[in-house]
Amino acid sequence: EIVLTQSPGTLSLSPGERATLSCRASQSVSSNYLAWYQQKPGQAPRLLIYGASSRATGIPDRFSGTGSGTDFTLTINRLEPEDFAVYYCQQYGSSPLYSFGQGTKLDIK
Amino acid sequence: EVQLVESGGGLVQPGGSLRLSCAASGFIFSNYWTSWVRQAPGKGLEWVAHIKVDGSEEYYVGSVKGRFTISRDNAKNSLYLQMNSLRAEDTAVYYCARDGGMRRAFDIWGQGTMVTVSS
Repeated sequence: EIVLTQSPGTLSLSPGERATLSCRASQSVSSNYLAWYQQKPGQAPRLLIYGASSRATGIPDRFSGTGSGTDFTLTINRLEPEDFAVYYCQQYGSSPLYSFGQGTKLDIK
Repeated sequence: EVQLVESGGGLVQPGGSLRLSCAASGFIFSNYWTSWVRQAPGKGLEWVAHIKVDGSEEYYVGSVKGRFTISRDNAKNSLYLQMNSLRAEDTAVYYCARDGGMRRAFDIWGQGTMVTVSS
């Protein structure tokens, strides 16, 4: 069973700074089937990045994803007030068919 | 507008049953894999079940195997989750989500429906 571990659990930054979020898989994620989501309180998750590095429709270019194999990173440049939320990574392909990391909370310092 | 709308949540006693529905609109539902994803209060996201476009293959997370059944009716543009033998730990917001096919990511989500299992 593949496990996704996100770090840090909480990241405290100020608007204008850069955020670097990590997602590490216990086994290699096949074909870079790795996605990132943003979730705000009371809302459904929103897809940010798919295929490890491709931005979803309408996602600003300050969001970028990198990585392959077992190590993936979501970078948010020039944080805006609306970026403070919880972020999840998600993989497809290994048992279970899909799985999520436990999340990183990005809050305002 | 492309959207998914869940319904059917509510309060149920332990051991009881509930059927969730998800109505799709604004896209060709029969072309897309779909899943149920849940989120317990204050917790992270957990993928629950998945069904392919023609309903020929179903997949479940271990904790719900044998208790939950996912199904779809493409003629009605609808996804379902039959939940039996419910437990307190099944308490969560249940989302339906469309696998957009782009590297198997969920690009469309419903607003969620709350299921509370309690006596």
